[in-house]
Amino acid sequence: NAGVMQNPRHLVRRRGQEARLRCSPMKGHSHVYWYRQLPEEGLKFMVYLQKENIIDESGMPKERFSAEFPKEGPSILRIQQVVRGDSAAYFCASSPDRNPTDTQYFGPGTRLTVL
Amino acid sequence: GNSVTQMEGPVTLSEEAFLTINCTYTATGYPSLFWYVQYPGEGLQLLLKATKADDKGSNKGFEATYRKETTSFHLEKGSVQVSDSAVYFCALSDSGGYQKVTFGTGTKLQVIP
Repeated sequence: NAGVMQNPRHLVRRRGQEARLRCSPMKGHSHVYWYRQLPEEGLKFMVYLQKENIIDESGMPKERFSAEFPKEGPSILRIQQVVRGDSAAYFCASSPDRNPTDTQYFGPGTRLTVL
Repeated sequence: GNSVTQMEGPVTLSEEAFLTINCTYTATGYPSLFWYVQYPGEGLQLLLKATKADDKGSNKGFEATYRKETTSFHLEKGSVQVSDSAVYFCALSDSGGYQKVTFGTGTKLQVIP
């Protein structure tokens, strides 16, 4: 059973461009969480999604950020018009269908650098 | 709201030394508590967890006990190795219907030979 997959692992964007981060949860997991880790800080919750639904987006910035988890394909975290302050590591985690309160399994992260 | 406070690093120890990383939390209800480890350039791996008061989580020689009376979940290891060098995160999740994990800021551990 492959772990949580994220791509790309590293992403460089110039200010004003768009960044798309992808996350494929583990097999049998339809609960996806996105977290952001700023340099020298802990992870901060951004959004929780189930297939085709956003359940909790209380940690998402109100502007420029969006997330989706379509019926088919990976979850996407989209950042429009990136700014330098968006530079961070973005981690995705998933938890199993049979018990969504079970432990979250983390992907390796996408490290976004905004020039 | 929920919060996790852990001791600041970096912590530098010699191989085979005893390790303690302090962690205290604030939460409503009865959260589950976790320690995650992050090796350089990698994602987080679950190290151990405890889901109710007085539970002890253990893995790879690491231990932590859920102390409700002191709202603490300190991480300990009797004899560290160079391979334990990493960043350690204390975390908690709500006891609600899904996990919304709150992380501490992390403690960097460096073990020298």
